[in-house]
Amino acid sequence: NAGVTQTPKFQVLKTGQSMTLQCAQDMNHNSMYWYRQDPGMGLRLIYYSASEGTTDKGEVPNGYNVSRLNKREFSLRLESAAPSQTSVYFCASSERGLNFGPGTRLLVL
Amino acid sequence: GEDVEQSLFLSVREGDSSVINCTYTDSSSTYLYWYKQEPGAGLQLLTYIFSNMDMKQDQRLTVLLNKKDKHLSLRIADTQTGDSAIYFCAGGGSAAGNKLTFGGGTRVLVKP
Repeated sequence: NAGVTQTPKFQVLKTGQSMTLQCAQDMNHNSMYWYRQDPGMGLRLIYYSASEGTTDKGEVPNGYNVSRLNKREFSLRLESAAPSQTSVYFCASSERGLNFGPGTRLLVL
Repeated sequence: GEDVEQSLFLSVREGDSSVINCTYTDSSSTYLYWYKQEPGAGLQLLTYIFSNMDMKQDQRLTVLLNKKDKHLSLRIADTQTGDSAIYFCAGGGSAAGNKLTFGGGTRVLVKP
């Protein structure tokens, strides 16, 4: 099992550009999550999906949209990137505790 | 919502025990977790404790939970250089893994 996979690993964007971060899990988990990690602030929940077909806002949803394409895949979209969205983004799925992907490092210039 | 606090930094000598502390606010958290993050990597689940337990031991790891004081700790026995990492505690949610709130992380440096 690959667990949770994320693409891309690293991305540089200019302010105003858009992009989609991809996430997939092969553990047949119902719940999936997107977190962002910033220095000194731990991880903050952006959006989550408790099951296929449902999505809900987390602590910091502004500037993001998500799609739960199917049970395996949960994507995060930035429509118009801003420098404040420079961060490391982690996707996770859950059964007993969260299983994290390796992260996407995003730099917005 | 849940608020989770951790100290920022811990320095320990190889072979000694490390104790990482965490306080939380939401007494309804069903599970409390410890995660480890090595440089450039994602978070790895180390261990967790169910809220009706006081202690859980897993090889070199011991988790202590004081529900009255809302205090969680992780003890690492015989700390090794490979234990150098950032450790996060997390809690919250009514079901395992649901919508966890993370502390800011404790950076552990193990000196030879």
